[in-house]
Amino acid sequence: GESVGLHLPTLSVQEGDNSIINCAYSNSASDYFIWYKQESGKGPQFIIDIRSNMDKRQGQRVTVLLNKTVKHLSLQIAATQPGDSAVYFCAENNNNDMRFGAGTRLTVKP
Amino acid sequence: KAGVTQTPRYLIKTRGQQVTLSCSPISGHRSVSWYQQTPGQGLQFLFEYFSETQRNKGNFPGRFSGRQFSNSRSEMNVSTLELGDSALYLCASSLVSGKETQYFGPGTRLLVL
Repeated sequence: GESVGLHLPTLSVQEGDNSIINCAYSNSASDYFIWYKQESGKGPQFIIDIRSNMDKRQGQRVTVLLNKTVKHLSLQIAATQPGDSAVYFCAENNNNDMRFGAGTRLTVKP
Repeated sequence: KAGVTQTPRYLIKTRGQQVTLSCSPISGHRSVSWYQQTPGQGLQFLFEYFSETQRNKGNFPGRFSGRQFSNSRSEMNVSTLELGDSALYLCASSLVSGKETQYFGPGTRLLVL
């Protein structure tokens, strides 16, 4: 029979705009979180991480926000560029058990 | 520093066969994790090796196995292949544990016919 694939949430933004990608994680005991970017035909690429003792962490053009109260993680990309088009995954780690979200497909329109 | 490498990059097998995939971690990294990625299930954790020992295991049948060598290189083996094993198999390495940044290889795309 036909297999049912994951329906990836999609986000389409205009080049130069800011992007916000959200992720709800499942385990309140998770204490380490990572955002990955995966381009077509490639493995996931590390973007930024955050530990549970922090609420916010900034990198180059990216910011991760962690809200432990509602188990929510977000990735903000400033001045989004066409090269940012990819699938973005959040991952949570609890006691070396790493679990990934389904991913969000970001499309940047020129 | 060279990244994580995986061989082969593409593989076609038939049902019932077995397959061995190889992963070379970043130099100095001692932890190697394996993941299966499919459109239907997303990224799923298979197992993690550290110092030649399996440290964590995901929820996969015993047909999936792995090992790690003294130089931290790792192999995973899938026996009695099924159609549903068709997937992208990703290897990730980190310095010591899964609590650190994991760096992924490009993956091995396996097609089971």
